[in-house]
Amino acid sequence: DAGITQSPRHKVTETGTPVTLRCHQTENHRYMYWYRQDPGHGLRLIHYSYGVKDTDKGEVSDGYSVSRSKTEDFLLTLESATSSQTSVYFCAISSTDTQYFGPGTRLTVL
Amino acid sequence: QKEVEQNSGPLSVPEGAIASLNCTYSDRGSQSFFWYRQYSGKSPELIMFIYSNGDKEDGRFTAQLNKASQYVSLLIRDSQPSDSATYLCAVGLISGGGADGLTFGKGTHLIIQP
Repeated sequence: DAGITQSPRHKVTETGTPVTLRCHQTENHRYMYWYRQDPGHGLRLIHYSYGVKDTDKGEVSDGYSVSRSKTEDFLLTLESATSSQTSVYFCAISSTDTQYFGPGTRLTVL
Repeated sequence: QKEVEQNSGPLSVPEGAIASLNCTYSDRGSQSFFWYRQYSGKSPELIMFIYSNGDKEDGRFTAQLNKASQYVSLLIRDSQPSDSATYLCAVGLISGGGADGLTFGKGTHLIIQP
């Protein structure tokens, strides 16, 4: 499973509240990613990181910010959650040949 | 806008038959191509990757790439009920793990009928 964990695995929150999702890897990979998966849209890239403090936007970055202060941790923050951000969030790392995914976080914004 | 297109299905195949899954992509500069399998409620897991035109075989799975036609496919031989899942096609602009991220299709739901 490429040593990727995500926390929390499930979260229910209310509109307007801040939410932070954590991705942790144990294998010292340089590249890390956050995707969201929604019915009818498939997996879409939110943000990615190519090193400590080096991040860039993906296809659907509006409303999200990220931080990477250590190689092993990549945080995704929703500053003010909205119902449209209800989704399953997957973290991924890039290995030599492909990307491997974490177990996912199911976020519900009421 | 990079796009990856897949038939959403469901694709129903008898057990023991060959399942054929197809994917087209819009960006001619794409260099890396991946097939993931995703069971309901689980995370995507890699089945195969392919970088060069032609066929690549791994056990019961064969990936086929045609860059001129911007087409990639996955064949599953001797289909088993455990192969029932959603199959995701993904494309990257560079070889390897896709440093700037992958673009995914919406997936094809495959059902293997016992």
